[in-house]
Amino acid sequence: KAGVTQTPRYLIKTRGQQVTLSCSPISGHRSVSWYQQTPGQGLQFLFEYFSETQRNKGNFPGRFSGRQFSNSRSEMNVSTLELGDSALYLCASSLAGHGYSPLHFGNGTRLTVT
Amino acid sequence: GIQVEQSPPDLILQEGANSTLRCNFSDSVNNLQWFHQNPWGQLINLFYIPSGTKQNGRLSATTVATERYSLLYISSSQTTDSGVYFCAVDNYGQNFVFGPGTRLSVLP
Repeated sequence: KAGVTQTPRYLIKTRGQQVTLSCSPISGHRSVSWYQQTPGQGLQFLFEYFSETQRNKGNFPGRFSGRQFSNSRSEMNVSTLELGDSALYLCASSLAGHGYSPLHFGNGTRLTVT
Repeated sequence: GIQVEQSPPDLILQEGANSTLRCNFSDSVNNLQWFHQNPWGQLINLFYIPSGTKQNGRLSATTVATERYSLLYISSSQTTDSGVYFCAVDNYGQNFVFGPGTRLSVLP
């Protein structure tokens, strides 16, 4: 069974631009969640989608948004990039959501904002 | 919101030694997971353990939800065990919170 796939692996963007990251979950998993990892703040929960609906959201500004498609693939968008958005963005999939089943992570997308 | 603490923050071991990592949380949770992040950044799920004890090879974990802590035991450590160990909790859908991690270095 293929694991969680995130694309691209690396991105370099300029302040003010926007970026879209993609995540393909493990086949059969209906939940996809997104996390930001930085040296200063550690791992922080962004949002979770289940069957195309956002189920809950972490404490991030509205510049961070996401969506999930009918095939469970998910995208995350960050608009008006700031230097502080430089981070490793991780997506995870699970059968029933992080509250109810194990999370399986992708390799992440490393975003650098200059 | 819920607070998650991990101890120790750093741990250096000689290959073959045993260790215990601790995760404390400040409120009731409906589940807890342990992860290992290897030096290349990959996060691997070790245990999904809302309560009780589980074992997987040289690793085992125990969660005592009523006392708000979980322990991860690593026996006969190997250099490949190096990395950062995170616990994460879900408090009934309100949030999913990671601890700050324990950085483990296993020396040959």
